[in-house]
Amino acid sequence: KQEVTQIPAALSVPEGENLVLNCSFTDSAIYNLQWFRQDPGKGLTSLLLIQSSQREQTSGRLNASLDKSSGRSTLYIAASQPGDSATYLCAVRPEDQKLVFGQGTRLTINP
Amino acid sequence: GAVVSQHPSWVICKSGTSVKIECRSLDFQATTMFWYRQFPKQSLMLMATSNEGSKATYEQGVEKDKFLINHASLTLSTLTVTSAHPEDSSFYICSARLLAGVGTQYFGPGTRLLVL
Repeated sequence: KQEVTQIPAALSVPEGENLVLNCSFTDSAIYNLQWFRQDPGKGLTSLLLIQSSQREQTSGRLNASLDKSSGRSTLYIAASQPGDSATYLCAVRPEDQKLVFGQGTRLTINP
Repeated sequence: GAVVSQHPSWVICKSGTSVKIECRSLDFQATTMFWYRQFPKQSLMLMATSNEGSKATYEQGVEKDKFLINHASLTLSTLTVTSAHPEDSSFYICSARLLAGVGTQYFGPGTRLLVL
């Protein structure tokens, strides 16, 4: 059974810092991995999707990497801003096609 | 990008009543829609997967007679919480998949249900 773990559970950093969020999964047989952002009381916003054949994806200040063989993904946020404060969720799509979510990392960027 | 809407965004109801939540894909056709439930400070829990024109597939532990799902068209799925009780209070989020198979899933804004 696929399990997804996100570390740390919560992170608080000063504005302007570069930071890395970690995601690990137990079964490397995945189709893709997706990073989402969730603001309090809101739905999910898709940030980046990495197909299993890809190593990384970039969007603006965000860069996500995927190492399928080791079951790891990282989300790198450059020059963090207070508006980046949210919960970040990692989800993998195994071969049965149902997304499996991690517990999320609650990120706070302090002005 | 693809947009998924949910209605209502907030609902408060009395115990014993039924509540219907709508999920629509606004600018694409979704052959598959998903319903999730999220408790405070927890991740999403998949409740059921619905394919247009067929019966929904429920996850283990989810009562299909309690949570009725209808996926009548390629742009609309509904979740009805029947005879709601306070323990059904939660944040319900739907998701629609753009393409069959491994397409990107897009999520709705969620519906917060409070049962008194």
